[in-house]
Amino acid sequence: DTEVTQTPKHLVMGMTNKKSLKCEQHMGHRAMYWYKQKAKKPPELMFVYSYEKLSINESVPSRFSPECPNSSLLNLHLHALQPEDSALYLCASSQGGQGSYEQYFGPGTRLTVT
Amino acid sequence: SQQGEEDPQALSIQEGENATMNCSYKTSINNLQWYRQNSGRGLVHLILIRSNEREKHSGRLRVTLDTSKKSSSLLITASRAADTASYFCATDPGYSTLTFGKGTMLLVSP
Repeated sequence: DTEVTQTPKHLVMGMTNKKSLKCEQHMGHRAMYWYKQKAKKPPELMFVYSYEKLSINESVPSRFSPECPNSSLLNLHLHALQPEDSALYLCASSQGGQGSYEQYFGPGTRLTVT
Repeated sequence: SQQGEEDPQALSIQEGENATMNCSYKTSINNLQWYRQNSGRGLVHLILIRSNEREKHSGRLRVTLDTSKKSSSLLITASRAADTASYFCATDPGYSTLTFGKGTMLLVSP
């Protein structure tokens, strides 16, 4: 199984809402990532989890809170977002550790903040 | 910050023609990867080339890497309408984090 799944596919939320994005992989990968992608732009790295520990936070605002409950799951908790946070949020996984590895991406969650 | 710059930003060709996309980057890399993205969907990994490799093939794809010029190219031969997508290069400094270039939008017309 080489699939990364993300739920929900689409999410509309108000600026006062709290919501969560979920990501799951069953490839035994030990690194998982969150990216944000605006229209017609490349993905931008937000967070990296390596062996279930947060290893990289690319200066993301605290209204985005990642969580890695276990090696297969990755969540992104959202609170008090702004309209400019509307984007495609992509989850990815890779083998992790030392070495050169490709990343496997999920289909993304299209987030609209109203 | 974005590492790679793709050239051209957009490319329109006919089916059967070859498509060449270029990528330049600024800092040292462990490897460089190419990804494809169909409109509004997740990215699909195409090919990974390590810093000590100069050329790599996968099916109709050919990737070159010139570390002295900090540049890479992706060639798609005998293109098909299904190749229509955005193509991104991404650099990895060696700890499996990627920085993506701006991408090339490829349109292949039947």
